[in-house]
Amino acid sequence: GQQLNQSPQSMFIQEGEDVSMNCTSSSIFNTWLWYKQDPGEGPVLLIALYKAGELTSNGRLTAQFGITRKDSFLNISASIPSDVGIYFCAGTRTGANSKLTFGKGITLSVRP
Amino acid sequence: NAGVTQTPKFRILKIGQSMTLQCTQDMNHNYMYWYRQDPGMGLKLIYYSVGAGITDKGEVPNGYNVSRSTTEDFPLRLELAAPSQTSVYFCASSRTTEAFFGQGTRLTVV
Repeated sequence: GQQLNQSPQSMFIQEGEDVSMNCTSSSIFNTWLWYKQDPGEGPVLLIALYKAGELTSNGRLTAQFGITRKDSFLNISASIPSDVGIYFCAGTRTGANSKLTFGKGITLSVRP
Repeated sequence: NAGVTQTPKFRILKIGQSMTLQCTQDMNHNYMYWYRQDPGMGLKLIYYSVGAGITDKGEVPNGYNVSRSTTEDFPLRLELAAPSQTSVYFCASSRTTEAFFGQGTRLTVV
């Protein structure tokens, strides 16, 4: 099936640093969403993007819907220890009936 | 605020046994989904439903069945458990695109 590409699989940063992660596809997506998953929990929606070029913030998080509609990025500024977790990008394609396609996720570690 | 509730949280099954993973949501969402999550592999869609009485296969439906008799409930059935079905299962619901997830069921088949 269609995959969204997220790499690297793991990222290690120092507390206070900014981090950026992106998500790419060979196909056009109509919607991009970013989720965070804490250990033992289900994914929680962070940001949803609906228009090409859209830039949306949620506290220290900023995400953008790429103008080609084939990519999106998420930026976390001034990281804190509770930012640790797995970050997934997800998207819907035309005719997908709201079905989300997920990337494999990036595991973020924050060193105090 | 219950949201999406999954039961049980953990289960160990023997090969060949059957079980039903329960999922209920109280947000009156039409769309519901079952995903499985394997380490490093993201979430794979098993089955989904666009409304009561309507279900369809996702990416990895083999070995599973679902039903959607009400808007609230979307149970997932494993008929003959196999070790390959060892995974964490997530149920989700949405009004349109933004899906809300349950806490997951960790299933081990031995």
